[in-house]
Parts: sequence; structure tokens; C-alpha cells
Amino acid sequence: DAGITQSPRHKVTETGTPVTLRCHQTENHRYMYWYRQDPGHGLRLIHYSYGVKDTDKGEVSDGYSVSRSKTEDFLLTLESATSSQTSVYFCAISETGVGANVLTFGAGSRLTVL
Amino acid sequence: DAKTTQPPSMDCAEGRAANLPCNHSTISGNEYVYWYRQIHSQGPQYIIHGLKNNETNEMASLIITEDRKSSTLILPHATLRDTAVYYCIVRPQTGANNLFFGTGTRLTVIP
Repeated sequence: DAGITQSPRHKVTETGTPVTLRCHQTENHRYMYWYRQDPGHGLRLIHYSYGVKDTDKGEVSDGYSVSRSKTEDFLLTLESATSSQTSVYFCAISETGVGANVLTFGAGSRLTVL
Repeated sequence: DAKTTQPPSMDCAEGRAANLPCNHSTISGNEYVYWYRQIHSQGPQYIIHGLKNNETNEMASLIITEDRKSSTLILPHATLRDTAVYYCIVRPQTGANNLFFGTGTRLTVIP
């Protein structure tokens, strides 16, 4: 999607290894989000950021950490990947967190943990 | 956040209007209704949102009942490219900074 890039798009890793997914935006939006999508669960929020170095947990944050050292980048880290973290991960951005808050999503990162 | 109820699947003939219903009977007065869709293997895409009044944009129309307990997304002339999962979401104007996605309605446009 224009203005938002996720990397890597596909990754296969082994249980216990660290994994970092990157979300990069060129829209200068204040808010950034990480979601995961699994069959039967829809999209669930992992963490979000409302500014540089300002982050908060979502509904499924256990086992994940995030960092945002500059406006354009939001990193999602799995310190020690588990098979239950096999999923498709979507990054999203929005200008604001109040009022009519429209999210723009990236193309997704498919992670497989063996 | 208010919960929404959508039918799991619907079919629509190509060229006809697709009417996707959503029930949000516990919606609060300050909560917006949003619609997103997700085409297979892609990220969700914003369609439209509204608070009280009906809304229309280049993609769709949103009809919200007067009591705001339900809404309908209308795709006026469905094409094969409209085949996707459609999510109806409600969220407050302030405070919560995320959207709670359910499992949506899988719309299949039939040639």
C-alpha cells in the first residue's frame, strides 16, 4: 500500500529464535499499530504507538515487544518465537487517535514458526 | 467497545447492488460506525464511516437507522473485484485508539 511498507513480507523461522518485523511509513502519521490475523479470530491488536517512544499494549501483547525511535518506523519483536505466533502480521497507520480515525494498512508479513 | 453482528457470508450477482447488514444494538451515542474490507491476502481497506447521518463516497453508501442500532453498507454496482470480507466496526470518538475487528461478512460476487 502506498505510504506504508512492511518487511519482511515472508519469514520462516524456528522456535526460540528472535524475530523483528519492520513497518515503515512515509505519511508522517502519528499513530502506528501492529495487528495479527489468524483464522477464526479476525484481526487482533498487539501493540500501538501514539508517538515516538510512546507505545501501549493491545489485546494480545504477551510475547511481543515494540519500539518506535522515529516517526516513520515501528518495530515488532518476538524475543523468542513460538509456534503459536505463526500468523499474518499487519501494520497500520492513522493521523489521529480521536474523532474519525481511519486506519491505512500495510500488505502484511506472513510469519511461520517451526 | 460495542459489539457488532454480521452474517458470515453473502452472495451478490455482478452488476447488482450488494447490501451488507450490521447489527450494533449496544452502540453508544459517541461511537462511529466504520466499514473496512479485506480482499484475499491483502491488508484491510477503509471503505466508509458515519456517526448518525447516512454517508456516501466513491466506493459505497452507508445507511444508519435512526436509532443507530443497525446499519447497511451498500455497494451500488457490485463487481467481481468486490469479492472480499467486509468488517463492520464501532468505536468511540475518543480514548480507544484501535478498531476491534470481528470475523466479518464474506461477500462473493457471482458472474
